[in-house]
Amino acid sequence: KAGVTQTPRYLIKTRGQQVTLSCSPISGHRSVSWYQQTPGQGLQFLFEYFSETQRNKGNFPGRFSGRQFSNSRSEMNVSTLELGDSALYLCASSTQGRSSTEAFFGQGTRLTVV
Amino acid sequence: LAKTTQPISMDSYEGQEVNITCSHNNIATNDYITWYQQFPSQGPRFIIQGYKTKVTNEVASLFIPADRKSSTLSLPRVSLSDTAVYYCLVGDHPGGNEKLTFGTGTRLTIIP
Repeated sequence: KAGVTQTPRYLIKTRGQQVTLSCSPISGHRSVSWYQQTPGQGLQFLFEYFSETQRNKGNFPGRFSGRQFSNSRSEMNVSTLELGDSALYLCASSTQGRSSTEAFFGQGTRLTVV
Repeated sequence: LAKTTQPISMDSYEGQEVNITCSHNNIATNDYITWYQQFPSQGPRFIIQGYKTKVTNEVASLFIPADRKSSTLSLPRVSLSDTAVYYCLVGDHPGGNEKLTFGTGTRLTIIP
């Protein structure tokens, strides 16, 4: 079956702009989580959605937001982009979103802010 | 939050068995231990998961002592393609919801 699909794969934006990233989970998976990965901070949890509800949130400013649709697809939005937002953004899906289930990651969206 | 500690980096020769140990002193009763592998510019990939004792699958083994305060990922007969970053995670259940907490990981380099 198809894996987790993230679009676009690469993106270049200028400071102050906003960006929307998309994640299509594996069919049947209801939990979608988002992570930011940078060389300096490593992999950091942004938020998790389950059945269209945000269940958990990491320590990121309000400029980072997300949503999940009824088909479990999820979008992440970053407003007023800053240079420090340049990162690989990863999405992961799982059936229940609990540590006892395997999380499947997409290949990520590489965002560069100039 | 259960925090993990792993070596920053390790080197090994092809064909050797590699053991990566992770410490998680504050592991909670309901927490599982999971290992992921990540290649550059790709998302992490699940390797193995366990709760206690030993778990083995087609790519690795996971050893967990009785106190569960540490775990060891064992990769048998490594090859160059095993060069990657390996993350040890302990399940986090704030309010019953999921939040995977990745540490710094162990950068494993396989030498020909």
